Amino acid sequence: EAGVAQSPRYKIIEKRQSVAFWCNPISGHATLYWYQQILGQGPKLLIQFQNNGVVDDSQLPKDRFSAERLKGVDSTLKIQPAKLEDSAVYLCASSLGWAGTDTQYFGPGTRLTVL
Amino acid sequence: AQTVTQSQPEMSVQEAETVTLSCTYDTSENNYYLFWYKQPPSRQMILVIRQEAYKQQNATENRFSVNFQKAAKSFSLKISDSQLGDTAMYFCAFCSLGAGGTSYGKLTFGQGTILTVHP
Repeated sequence: EAGVAQSPRYKIIEKRQSVAFWCNPISGHATLYWYQQILGQGPKLLIQFQNNGVVDDSQLPKDRFSAERLKGVDSTLKIQPAKLEDSAVYLCASSLGWAGTDTQYFGPGTRLTVL
Repeated sequence: AQTVTQSQPEMSVQEAETVTLSCTYDTSENNYYLFWYKQPPSRQMILVIRQEAYKQQNATENRFSVNFQKAAKSFSLKISDSQLGDTAMYFCAFCSLGAGGTSYGKLTFGQGTILTVHP
């Protein structure tokens, strides 16, 4: 079974530039999550999709971050414009359902450096 | 809101020995799951073990076991017969199962503990 795929793996940009990350979840997984993991900290949930609807985006900085999940499969996370404090690893995860009983499978992450 | 605290930023252990990682959490809920996740260097995060709050019996997965103390809100991970491949960052995580709450199904992670296994 293929795992969660993410691209790119690394990205370096200047502040105020835009960047987009892509995630392909495990086939058949209805729920998709984007996390932000700042160096030395645990992941923080940014947004959670159930199929192509948003379940929770309470911690997404909506003035600069946006995310979409077209057709309930792949998802993109965009930052526009980026700030220095956005430097982090962005993790995508997926699960079969959306209850805590369903294991979340994580992708390798995209490491973003904002200069 | 739930919080998860891991008070040990770093731990080390000799190969084949036993190590225990600590985790405490704060919640007013009665129905939840607790997890330990492992994040090896430059590799993706994987689930190590999970515990349902309504179960009194501690979960075990091969060399990994937990000590779940619900009243004390404590959830420690014991790794027996440590192996070099256990070297990783370990995260404790909480998931609410309170129906209708905004945190339902949402994982809250601790800060992590870096575990190094020495040969």
